[in-house]
Amino acid sequence: QVQLQESGPGLVKPSETLSLTCTVSGGSISSYYWSWVRQPAGKGLEWIGRLYSSGGTNYNPSLKSRVTMSVDTSKSQLSLSLSSVTAADTAVYYCARGGAHGGSRPRNAFDIWGQGTMVTVSS
Amino acid sequence: QSVLTQPPSASGTPGQRVTISCSGSSSDIGSNTVNWYQQLPGTAPKLLIYYNNQRPSGVPDRFSGSKSGTSASLAISGLQSEDEADYYCAAWDDSLNAVVFGGGTKLTVL
Repeated sequence: QVQLQESGPGLVKPSETLSLTCTVSGGSISSYYWSWVRQPAGKGLEWIGRLYSSGGTNYNPSLKSRVTMSVDTSKSQLSLSLSSVTAADTAVYYCARGGAHGGSRPRNAFDIWGQGTMVTVSS
Repeated sequence: QSVLTQPPSASGTPGQRVTISCSGSSSDIGSNTVNWYQQLPGTAPKLLIYYNNQRPSGVPDRFSGSKSGTSASLAISGLQSEDEADYYCAAWDDSLNAVVFGGGTKLTVL
């Protein structure tokens, strides 16, 4: 079955760029919408943005100026970059699969999630 | 401050039926479908309901969703101890061009 695995540094310094990778295994990355979602400790979920497997993106307006998402279909990997981080960006970061283009499930209904990776912003 | 409004907590005893509300606006719930997620402690969220009332394969029919106007609800019947979790509603927002989540509801099974 399809599995997602986030990876990246667990500690990032303030003002630097957070970079994470999500590796997709057991299935195709093509034709699906892929999202990143984060969750600060003890708080709710926040959608960061999504990209389609061919590269189109939508970003949360509150983060848009700092976010870049990309896909490498040859490696079955998704990437997230968040620049100029502050302590407020400390959270568990999840990648999640949305619906397929033309599929039976909405592109923003996330049926498969990675286990999440904790990122702390601190000097 | 979440775009969608949920009660912070809900509770019930085993076997009871509980409902969790999710209130939005014309640009989100009023114009788009609602999805619900269950998050057990220490785990990633799990899709519970999509398209307002559709259950993914494997989700028990004790869970049901509905939507009316700018509000949606998740109902859990025959409450079980393993239902104790955080529940989140979500929808696309046409004004923000973004997915918006509710603040989450912590369900306690007494």
